[in-house]
This record gives sequence, C-alpha cells and structure tokens, in this order.
Amino acid sequence: DAGVIQSPRHEVTEMGQEVTLRCKPISGHDYLFWYRQTMMRGLELLIYFNNNVPIDDSGMPEDRFSAKMPNASFSTLKIQPSEPRDSAVYFCASSLNPQGSTDTQYFGPGTRLTVL
Amino acid sequence: AQSVTQPDIHITVSEGASLELRCNYSYGATPYLFWYVQSPGQGLQLLLKYFSGDTLVQGIKGFEAEFKRSQSSFNLRKPSVHWSDAAEYFCAVGLLNQAGTALIFGKGTTLSVSS
Repeated sequence: DAGVIQSPRHEVTEMGQEVTLRCKPISGHDYLFWYRQTMMRGLELLIYFNNNVPIDDSGMPEDRFSAKMPNASFSTLKIQPSEPRDSAVYFCASSLNPQGSTDTQYFGPGTRLTVL
Repeated sequence: AQSVTQPDIHITVSEGASLELRCNYSYGATPYLFWYVQSPGQGLQLLLKYFSGDTLVQGIKGFEAEFKRSQSSFNLRKPSVHWSDAAEYFCAVGLLNQAGTALIFGKGTTLSVSS
C-alpha cells in the first residue's frame, strides 16, 4: 500500500484566498483524522471521520475551516478565507478500526501551508 | 482535562549513549499510550504503544517504554543511540469513546545526536 497520501506537499497562498488540502487514506481504513502542527501549539486534532461521517469536529478552530469526506478514499480540509495564523503543517492520518481498541494511526507526510 | 506533558523540549545525546525521553499524562481512566517519531519533513511513525498487560513495551528500532501508573508516566528508552535516531519524538494518549479513538499529543522532544 502507498500509505496515506496528501496533496499538495507545500502550499503558499495570500491572505484571503481559499485553500484546499487533500487526503487519500489507506484503503480499507475506516477512520480518518486531520491534525495541525505548529511550533506554538504542537499537534492538534482538528476533526475525525468514521465511515465518511464526521464524529468530532471540536478541534476545528473556527468557521473558516471545513472538512468533508465524500467517499472512503478522499477527504478535503478547506480554509476560506485563509489568514497568516493558519500557517502550519497539516497532517492527515487513517486507522483501520479503533472501535474498542487503539489501532495505529498512520500519518501522511503532511502539507506545509504558508499564508502570506 | 486530558493532557500529555513532555518536559524536555530538546535533548542532546552522544552516539552510543543511552536515552530516556520523559512523558507524563493526565487522564482519568486507564490510558492508551503511544510514542511516535517524526523525522524532518516526514509524517509521524509509530514506535510503540501500550494498551494493557506488561508495563514494559518493546517497539521498533530498539526502543522500549515503561508504563508507571503511580507516576502517570510512560518514558521512552533506548540503550544505545544511533545518529539516525535524531528526530522529534511525540508521546500521545488515546481517548477511547464509543465513536473511536482520538489522540492527544505532547508538544514533542527534539533529539539531537552528537558524534
């Protein structure tokens, strides 16, 4: 398996622009997670999905952030409008089925977002 | 509230020396504990995890960790560090609920290895 795939790997945009980050989880994994990593706050869970349904989005910082999972093999995290403070590395992770256990979360390589 | 504390932001160890990275957690129930490693420009890779049973857990790359409930700790150890171990290390606690498991991460410890 190719692992979790994220695109783009790097994104530079200007304040106010819309940004869309993409993730393809490992085939067969039921859970998908979006994390944000910054120097100040470390790794934060933004939202996670189970079988394409959002389960917990309490980590989403504000309404400018939205995430979707239209099918089992694709998810997007959108920021509209983007702000400089959104600059971070965004990770996507997937796991097989943590229900009743703690299956390993497999992380993608991340998208480094810079908002000017 | 659940939290994970990694007291050391940066540690430098000589190649061949032993290593211990500290991790303390705050969680009301039995914790599920993890150590991940992140190499520069890469995603996170699982080193080891603890669910229950033997409190000494063996992981990949020669790492081990010991769960100590009385100290709320899950310290990571390696007897002899290699230059390739230089990376950032994250401790995490898994919060298990009916819907699944979410991870709460510590801020990380950066390991440098000197020759």
